[in-house]
Amino acid sequence: GAVVSQHPSRVICKSGTSVKIECRSLDFQATTMFWYRQFPKQSLMLMATSNEGSKATYEQGVEKDKFLINHASLTLSTLTVTSAHPEDSSFYICSASNRLGHTDTQYFGPGTRLTVL
Amino acid sequence: LAKTTQPISMDSYEGQEVNITCSHNNIATNDYITWYQQFPSQGPRFIIQGYKTKVTNEVASLFIPADRKSSTLSLPRVSLSDTAVYYCLVGPIKAAGNKLTFGGGTRVLVKP
Repeated sequence: GAVVSQHPSRVICKSGTSVKIECRSLDFQATTMFWYRQFPKQSLMLMATSNEGSKATYEQGVEKDKFLINHASLTLSTLTVTSAHPEDSSFYICSASNRLGHTDTQYFGPGTRLTVL
Repeated sequence: LAKTTQPISMDSYEGQEVNITCSHNNIATNDYITWYQQFPSQGPRFIIQGYKTKVTNEVASLFIPADRKSSTLSLPRVSLSDTAVYYCLVGPIKAAGNKLTFGGGTRVLVKP
C-alpha cells in the first residue's frame, strides 16, 4: 500500500479566518492529488484535482478563490479555506495516486475535521 | 465515469460471510473496479481492486462475472470491527489523475 497523511486532524476556527490543510504522500511521489469534502452521513464529494507544478482543476460549483490549492512538490498538496464560514464546516479528505504495476490506485489520508464557529 | 448502484445497508452477524453486490451496467473496456472501506471520521481505506474474474487478498475477495456489469465484494467471517461503509467505484486507473466518483456506498452493520 501507500501512506497518505493529513495535518491537522481537526481544527476549530472563527468565522472569517483562513485555514490551511496539508496532505502528504509519505512513501511515494504523487504528481496528482485530490481533495474531497464529506458532510455527515453523506458520501465523499470531489472538490478539485491538484496537479504538481500547475493549477488545480476544480469541480463544478467549487469556488477556486475560496478553496486555494497548492501542489508545490511531489509529496505535498495544501488546501486553504479562505474566509471560512460555518457552512464550510465539514470533513476534508485528500488522496494521492500511487502506481502499483500497471495500475494507479488512489490512497486516502485520514481526513481533517474543520469546524467554523 | 460508470455509475454504480449498491444496496444502502446490510446487517450481518459476527462470523458470517458478507457479500455486497455492485451494479455498473455501463462499465467501459478500460475501467477497473475498486472497493474502499470507510469508518466514521476516517478516510476511505483501499480494500481490493480487479478487472475480471476473481481477485483475492488477505481481507476480501472480489468476484466479477464475464460481462463485468456487476461485481461482488465478499468479506469472510466478519467481526464487529468490519462495521463500516463500503464503496464500489469504477473507472480507468492506468494513468495518474483519474478521478473517482463516489456513490452512496453500503452501510454494513455487524452484530454480535
